[in-house]
Amino acid sequence: SQELEQSPQSLIVQEGKNLTINCTSSKTLYGLYWYKQKYGEGLIFLMMLQKGGEEKSHEKITAKLDEKKQQSSLHITASQPSHAGIYLCGAEDTGTASKLTFGTGTRLQVTL
Amino acid sequence: KAGVTQTPRYLIKTRGQQVTLSCSPISGHRSVSWYQQTPGQGLQFLFEYFSETQRNKGNFPGRFSGRQFSNSRSEMNVSTLELGDSALYLCASSLVANYGYTFGSGTRLTVV
Repeated sequence: SQELEQSPQSLIVQEGKNLTINCTSSKTLYGLYWYKQKYGEGLIFLMMLQKGGEEKSHEKITAKLDEKKQQSSLHITASQPSHAGIYLCGAEDTGTASKLTFGTGTRLQVTL
Repeated sequence: KAGVTQTPRYLIKTRGQQVTLSCSPISGHRSVSWYQQTPGQGLQFLFEYFSETQRNKGNFPGRFSGRQFSNSRSEMNVSTLELGDSALYLCASSLVANYGYTFGSGTRLTVV
């Protein structure tokens, strides 16, 4: 079965600083999703990547899927308090679509 | 366009009881999947339904079951509740596989 490892597990950054979260898979990624979660709430969809080398941006968040499709990174530029939360990467199981395997999450705190 | 609706938002049950959670997907979405989120195990896939048929199932005991109705609304049932079933239960709907998954706000189940 596929396993996703996220790093770092937690991150505290000062407002205005840039940061990167990594997601490494034990298998080739066929569909990689990034979600954000506020504590105890649902997951907010950020981005979906499918092709090796693909890069997508939305506002100050950029996500990339490396060429070999086993690692993805999420980069936040000029972080703001609104970026605080838990970031989760999820991948579609290669053998069974419509099933996502998630990483353990990265908890981001943004200080003033 | 309405999002994924989960009811109830919070639930407190006693050990040994059973519980039913409901999920209404985005209009037009025929796939509904369920996940359990706990601090220790993270987000884990329970099962997925498409057009009233269960297509995928995670590694959970038979006490966890679900169904989907002709209008794509889904319910999950947990019988003989255990303390360890306390968790945030999330459902996600999608149009088709590999097309993105939208999550609801979740149902927080506490078993006492």
